[in-house]
Amino acid sequence: GAVVSQHPSRVICKSGTSVKIECRSLDFQATTMFWYRQFPKQSLMLMATSNEGSKATYEQGVEKDKFLINHASLTLSTLTVTSAHPEDSSFYICSASGLAGGNEQFFGPGTRLTVL
Amino acid sequence: LAKTTQPISMDSYEGQEVNITCSHNNIATNDYITWYQQFPSQGPRFIIQGYKTKVTNEVASLFIPADRKSSTLSLPRVSLSDTAVYYCLVGDIKGNDMRFGAGTRLTVKP
Repeated sequence: GAVVSQHPSRVICKSGTSVKIECRSLDFQATTMFWYRQFPKQSLMLMATSNEGSKATYEQGVEKDKFLINHASLTLSTLTVTSAHPEDSSFYICSASGLAGGNEQFFGPGTRLTVL
Repeated sequence: LAKTTQPISMDSYEGQEVNITCSHNNIATNDYITWYQQFPSQGPRFIIQGYKTKVTNEVASLFIPADRKSSTLSLPRVSLSDTAVYYCLVGDIKGNDMRFGAGTRLTVKP
């Protein structure tokens, strides 16, 4: 199947700093990428949907100025957590879709963000 | 709001067949049904996808009745390594509007 990578896999930062997470589709062109957040023992929560070349669509309750999403190419989307705080600590997962023949999403391995 | 409902947890033993049912009463005409598996601290992994009737691949089968208001994931002869959370999602052809429900935590015992 198609491969989606995320970088970094783990990041620890101080409160108030910004963190960028990259999501790449390695062997296919992703017309749509999705960003999720997952807290311990909970399900994945969709944060935003981004289509290549256009602005991301954020879910209700997700601050677009705090979670900046850029989908500049068909293989790369980035999520920047600006002015991170301890409550932003979570597991961030991206997924990508775009292969012909269905709406299967391929998920990245996730990024563990810890804000001190 | 998630568009699906699943049992919160299930227990099984090695070698048994496990069936996990998902309710999606408000499934739209264009929606597909997709099942994912997730291990702790990993991204979800695709298991199987279908639109109607029955789909089978090397790891699972998916049964979808004619009204498509539910679906059943069937895992034949589970092993300890199948212990994970299983999610059922419905969404359109582009994957839009797909919401994760609570999932089903499957525990396989020796």
